[in-house]
Amino acid sequence: EAGVVQSPRYKIIEKKQPVAFWCNPISGHNTLYWYLQNLGQGPELLIRYENEEAVDDSQLPKDRFSAERLKGVDSTLKIQPAELGDSAVYLCASNVKGGGELFFGEGSRLTVL
Amino acid sequence: AQSVSQHNHHVILSEAASLELGCNYSYGGTVNLFWYVQYPGQHLQLLLKYFSGDPLVKGIKGFEAEFIKSKFSFNLRKPSVQWSDTAEYFCAVNVNNNNDMRFGAGTRLTVKP
Repeated sequence: EAGVVQSPRYKIIEKKQPVAFWCNPISGHNTLYWYLQNLGQGPELLIRYENEEAVDDSQLPKDRFSAERLKGVDSTLKIQPAELGDSAVYLCASNVKGGGELFFGEGSRLTVL
Repeated sequence: AQSVSQHNHHVILSEAASLELGCNYSYGGTVNLFWYVQYPGQHLQLLLKYFSGDPLVKGIKGFEAEFIKSKFSFNLRKPSVQWSDTAEYFCAVNVNNNNDMRFGAGTRLTVKP
């Protein structure tokens, strides 16, 4: 069974440029998460989807970050414009509903110059 | 504020030493508890989990953790570490069987050969 797939693995951009990350969760997992992981820190939730609905986006900086999961399967996280402080690893995870374990992708490492 | 606390930022051990990593949480209600591990260059993966029943749970690679409800703790242990256990370890809590998973800041374990 394929795991959570993320792309790109690495992205280097200059500040003020836009960037987008894509995630395809495990088939059948209706809950999808985007987490931010700074160096030496634990994952911090940005947004959680139950199917197509964003049920928790309270930690998403909505002035520059946006996300979508139009058909309840794959998802895109966008930053526009990127700032130096956005340099981090963006993790996607999925699970079935009900509080079980999360399955993580390998992450997308963003460097903003 | 509700949180997950990991007491040790960086632990350095020699091979065959015993390991205990602390984790405390401050959430009320029913909790599901997890330990995830992130080996260098790899994605986060589940080490073990506690939902209910025997508070001493065993995971992969000889790891175990004990849930002590009165102390709001879920410490990770291993009697004899190996060099290959060098990784970052994250404690996570899911409250009331919803899909809101919160992580601690992580503990970096370095095992010297």
